[in-house]
Formats: sequence, C-alpha cells, structure tokens
Amino acid sequence: AQKVTQAQTEISVVEKEDVTLDCVYETRDTTYYLFWYKQPPSGELVFLIRRNSFDEQNEISGRYSWNFQKSTSSFNFTITASQVVDSAVYFCALSETTYNQGGKLIFGQGTELSVKP
Amino acid sequence: GAGVSQSPRYKVAKRGQDVALRCDPISGHVSLFWYQQALGQGPEFLTYFQNEAQLDKSGLPSDRFFAERPEGSVSTLKIQRTQQEDSAVYLCASSLDGQGSGYTFGSGTRLTVV
Repeated sequence: AQKVTQAQTEISVVEKEDVTLDCVYETRDTTYYLFWYKQPPSGELVFLIRRNSFDEQNEISGRYSWNFQKSTSSFNFTITASQVVDSAVYFCALSETTYNQGGKLIFGQGTELSVKP
Repeated sequence: GAGVSQSPRYKVAKRGQDVALRCDPISGHVSLFWYQQALGQGPEFLTYFQNEAQLDKSGLPSDRFFAERPEGSVSTLKIQRTQQEDSAVYLCASSLDGQGSGYTFGSGTRLTVV
C-alpha cells in the first residue's frame, strides 16, 4: 500500500532560522512522483515541487531546497532563513502512474509551520 | 478559466439535507479529482475522472456520495442525506493528463453539517 508519513505535526521557529520538514513514503511502484504543497490559512493548496522517482538530484529554488533519497524513501524539504510568510501547513504527497488511477495523490498528514518574528 | 473554480465557497447544511458542490476545472484539462480534507488532516482522494469517464471512485466513503462530469468539463459532487461526519473541505483538482504533469487545486468548498 502507498503511504506518506510526516512525523512532525507542528514546528515553531523564529524568523531567519533554517527549518527542515521530513517526509517518508512507502510504495511498491518503481515509477512514481513526489510532491510538496503549501496550504496557507486561506486554504488553497499551492504547488511547490514535483520530483519523479528516477531523478534523485537535489533541487534548490530560492530559499527552498529538497533532498530526495530513495535509499531511505525520504523527500525532505528545507526552508533557509525562514520568514513569517512561510507560516502554513505543508503537505508531502505521493502519486503513482497507474493509468486508471490517473495519478491520484496520497497525502501525508501535514506539518504546520509557524514562523515567529 | 485561469484556475480551478469551486462553488459555493462555504455551505452549511442541516443533517439529512442533500448538497451539490461544483467544480470548474481549467479549460482543456482532461483529468479531474475530488478530495476530502477533514480538519487538521491531509486531503484524501475521493474520485477521479478522465474526461467524462469516472475511472476510479474507490475513495467515496459511502453510497451517499455521487460524482459526475457529464460533458468532460464541469463536475458536481453530490452528497445525499448529509451527516455530521461529512463536514470537511472538499477540494477539486484538475490536471492536463493526470500522469504527474501537475495538479491545480481549487480553493475548496467548506461544508459544515449541523
């Protein structure tokens, strides 16, 4: 069965601190996608990144970086020099590519990040 | 349209009432998904359409839940005889091809059953 685990329910940091959000996944497929979404208080899910299972290169986008390690089935997300605007709930998700499932997303429980000034 | 549009934004229903939630996907998007997000939880898959065909409805929690997309664009999620445990945010997402090309989510409909 597919499963995504975000063990950190809540994290609180002070502005400018670095913070890492953990994500561990389970899947039997060899081809899959991993995602991170941000959900601010307004409620919409904002896409941050998609990574396919064959690309283990780490990625950096501004203050955001992602570390994908297939050996440990982890896809961790780091925010460098956090800002108050980063406060939100962050979801890690897994998608498989079985045709009739259309690549539905399996979400983790989310990590609520609070960045205090 | 530019994004995925859902209506209504908020819905309060009395227990036992039927409700219908609407989703307007991005024009040309083949795949459409419905998710249910309970308070403090991650979204959970309900059902998936490819054009007008409902290919996966394994996530629908009971036979009171019904979804349709008759012309392959707008979709409606209907909940009959609502119960308090149906209270949640219902999210719609569309994707160009549903094969990991990227999903765009709507802002959701917050359903409260009283």
